[in-house]
Amino acid sequence: DAKTTQPTSMDCAEGRAANLPCNHSTISGNEYVYWYRQIHSQGPQYIIHGLKNNETNEMASLIITEDRKSSTLILPHATLRDTAVYYCIVRVALRDDKIIFGKGTRLHILP
Amino acid sequence: EADIYQTPRYLVIGTGKKITLECSQTMGHDKMYWYQQDPGMELHLIHYSYGVNSTEKGDLSSESTVSRIRTEHFPLTLESARPSHTSQYLCASSESPSRTETQYFGPGTRLLVL
Repeated sequence: DAKTTQPTSMDCAEGRAANLPCNHSTISGNEYVYWYRQIHSQGPQYIIHGLKNNETNEMASLIITEDRKSSTLILPHATLRDTAVYYCIVRVALRDDKIIFGKGTRLHILP
Repeated sequence: EADIYQTPRYLVIGTGKKITLECSQTMGHDKMYWYQQDPGMELHLIHYSYGVNSTEKGDLSSESTVSRIRTEHFPLTLESARPSHTSQYLCASSESPSRTETQYFGPGTRLLVL
């Protein structure tokens, strides 16, 4: 699977939109972009995934650039409970392989 | 909502003891995983299974063993616990095949070996 690069940490004010970037310049055509988050050593929680179109669900939006070499996870109105480590992962769906979690981005929501 | 359970949630045990960490899921998922994570550090995959009677080693070498006799159950065993095994152990499962391949995680077991 392709590797991803994320900033080590980010701050965001409560109530503002949190924009978390991810670079995946070696992504293959059949690889999806997935985002998970881990709140204070709980098990990681799935947030969203996409292939090339932008996606939105009740938790977040995912913006994927046209060349697919980078993406941004957007939390539209960040709350203190969104403080967590956010993992960006690229992988081929429907394949019998495993997810490799990297170091992720530690997002701090500031009151 | 995912239903995946781990017991015990916390365990303090002496060196040399045999321990089994339990993981069960009620979703009928074929794939199950064990991860190890030290505080503030990355998740490392130590074992996974594609289904009954299937077990594979993950990316991080581990002295633990696993078994998959039933779809819903994926226990992890340490034959002789050592202080170096102190960590958090997270179990996960995912449906296969699935368009999303979302992994659902249990609450974790925090292990302290004295």
